[in-house]
Amino acid sequence: NAGVMQNPRHLVRRRGQEARLRCSPMKGHSHVYWYRQLPEEGLKFMVYLQKENIIDESGMPKERFSAEFPKEGPSILRIQQVVRGDSAAYFCASSPPEGAGAYEQYFGPGTRLTVT
Amino acid sequence: AQSVTQLDSHVSVSEGTPVLLRCNYSSSYSPSLFWYVQHPNKGLQLLLKYTSAATLVKGINGFEAEFKKSETSFHLTKPSAHMSDAAEYFCVVSDRFGNEKLTFGTGTRLTIIP
Repeated sequence: NAGVMQNPRHLVRRRGQEARLRCSPMKGHSHVYWYRQLPEEGLKFMVYLQKENIIDESGMPKERFSAEFPKEGPSILRIQQVVRGDSAAYFCASSPPEGAGAYEQYFGPGTRLTVT
Repeated sequence: AQSVTQLDSHVSVSEGTPVLLRCNYSSSYSPSLFWYVQHPNKGLQLLLKYTSAATLVKGINGFEAEFKKSETSFHLTKPSAHMSDAAEYFCVVSDRFGNEKLTFGTGTRLTIIP
């Protein structure tokens, strides 16, 4: 059973470009979470999604950031018009539906975004 | 609201000696608590979790943690440190009642002295 997959692992963007980060949850997992880790800091929650629904986006910046988890395909975290402060590691996690170890999240290897 | 405080940003121990990484939490509800480990430039691996079963939780690689409600603590311990334990450790809390986002502490960097 493959773990949580994220791609790309490393992404370099110039200021003003768009960044698209992809996350494929573990098989059978219907919940996806995105976290951001700034250098020398812990992870900060950004958004929690289920298929076709955003459940909690309280950690998402109000502008330029969006996330989706379509019925088919991976979850996407999209950052428009990137700025240097967006440089960070972005981690995706997934968990099973309620009643099946729901409170354990499995993390992907992360995407390291560098904005030049 | 929930929060986690990791009391030490850096801990250094000699190989073969005990490890203690301290964590205090705050939660409005009965929390779930976790310890994750992150090796350099790698993702996060779950070491152990507490979800209201036994208060002494055993994890992987010889680590364990004890949930103490009266002290709001969830300290991570290991009897004998190994060189491969050198990493960043995060104490994490989750609100069990519907809000499943994880709240991370700021991390403790563990260094093992040969």
